[in-house]
Amino acid sequence: SFDLTQPPSLSVSPGQTARISCSGDALSKQYAYWYQHKAGQAPVLVVQKDTERPSGIPDRFSGSNSGATVTLTIRGVQADDEADYYCQSTDASSTHVVFGGGTKLTVL
Amino acid sequence: QVQLVESGGGLVKPGGSLRLSCTASGFTFSDFYMSWIRKTPTKGLEFLSYISGHSGVTHHADSVSGRFTTSRDNAHNSLFLQMTSLTPDDTAVYYCARSYKGRYSEFFFDHWGLGTLVTVSS
Repeated sequence: SFDLTQPPSLSVSPGQTARISCSGDALSKQYAYWYQHKAGQAPVLVVQKDTERPSGIPDRFSGSNSGATVTLTIRGVQADDEADYYCQSTDASSTHVVFGGGTKLTVL
Repeated sequence: QVQLVESGGGLVKPGGSLRLSCTASGFTFSDFYMSWIRKTPTKGLEFLSYISGHSGVTHHADSVSGRFTTSRDNAHNSLFLQMTSLTPDDTAVYYCARSYKGRYSEFFFDHWGLGTLVTVSS
């Protein structure tokens, strides 16, 4: 088992850049994935395999990896980006699937 | 387009049981792993289980192993979660998600449903 640690909250003004971090020892060996979850809606995969953007996701969303920390970057933040964001990873055998605690992004 | 619709949530007493269903459309259901995940205000998202597409091999998180059972009916594009010995800590919104399991330990959820609320209370 392993843990993924995210900041609980982040506030940014419209048009600024939001950077949400996710830390855990497993991230130096395993891919990370990011999900956006707005209240009352289905969660949406916004970054896969650390840096890849699924089809339909705006290029304002990007992911990066620097060893044991991965980062979701949202450039030109819009009011519609206000949501909870979760990182997720697995162990090598995919028997332990773990989410970070989530980061509530507030757009001021 | 991919659609996942959960059902079966509701109010149940502690110690009770509940069976959740997820109906899928818009893709070849049997080709994909499927998973159950839940969300609470305090713990956020918590992975519960997955089941493989054709063989039906399952894996459950330690927190629900022995109490929850995951199954599927490929003929009816349906996924199920049988929950027993429920406690107030199981109160959550339960989501089904289409899942991808890669060759090199990749595992993630590429489509989710809207969820169904389960409340465990006397």
